[in-house]
Amino acid sequence: EIVLTQSPGTLSLSPGERATLSCRASQSVSSSYLAWYQQKPGQTPRLLIYGASSRATGIPDRFSGSGSGTDFTLTISRLEPEDFAVYYCQQYVGSRGTFGGGTKVEIK
Amino acid sequence: EVQLLESGGGLVQPGGSLRLSCAASGFAFSSYAMAWVRQAPGKGLEWVSVINNSGAYTYYADSVKGRFTISRDNSKNTLYLQMNSLRAEDTALYYCAKALGAAAGPPVGSWGQGTRVTVSS
Repeated sequence: EIVLTQSPGTLSLSPGERATLSCRASQSVSSSYLAWYQQKPGQTPRLLIYGASSRATGIPDRFSGSGSGTDFTLTISRLEPEDFAVYYCQQYVGSRGTFGGGTKVEIK
Repeated sequence: EVQLLESGGGLVQPGGSLRLSCAASGFAFSSYAMAWVRQAPGKGLEWVSVINNSGAYTYYADSVKGRFTISRDNSKNTLYLQMNSLRAEDTALYYCAKALGAAAGPPVGSWGQGTRVTVSS
């Protein structure tokens, strides 16, 4: 089973700053099979990025995904107040999807 | 608008069984893979199972394999999760989710509000 490790666990930033979230896989993941989700307290998760770099419908272009192999990154170019949330990466190689432990982006 | 409405959760004793249902509307149900994802209280997301659009292919997390069975009835636009031999660690909010495509593998783009399962004596 592929294990995804997200870092940092918590990221403390101010609105307007750039956020860089990391997701590292225990073995190589095809870029086609890496996704990112956002979850706010009390809400259901929302798909942000799939295929490592494709934005889902309605996702602002301040969110971008990159990476390949075992290292993937979600970047939020300029944090808006509504972006403070928990972010999860997910791989779905072989139709079995595992999630990372999450990164909480909090207001500094 | 995609709507996913889960039901069937509740309190069950260890070793017991529950059957979750997810009624889908607002999209061509038979054209999309569907999945179950769970979240224990205060914890992260855990992928549980996925089924392709026709129901021919199913996949499970190691933690539930052999105990849970995912299925679907495309004539009723309904997804199911039969959960047997339940353990305390199965306690979670169970989300029904719609995949981006037909194959059992794409990420999930729409989520229900979840149904809570509590396993306790």
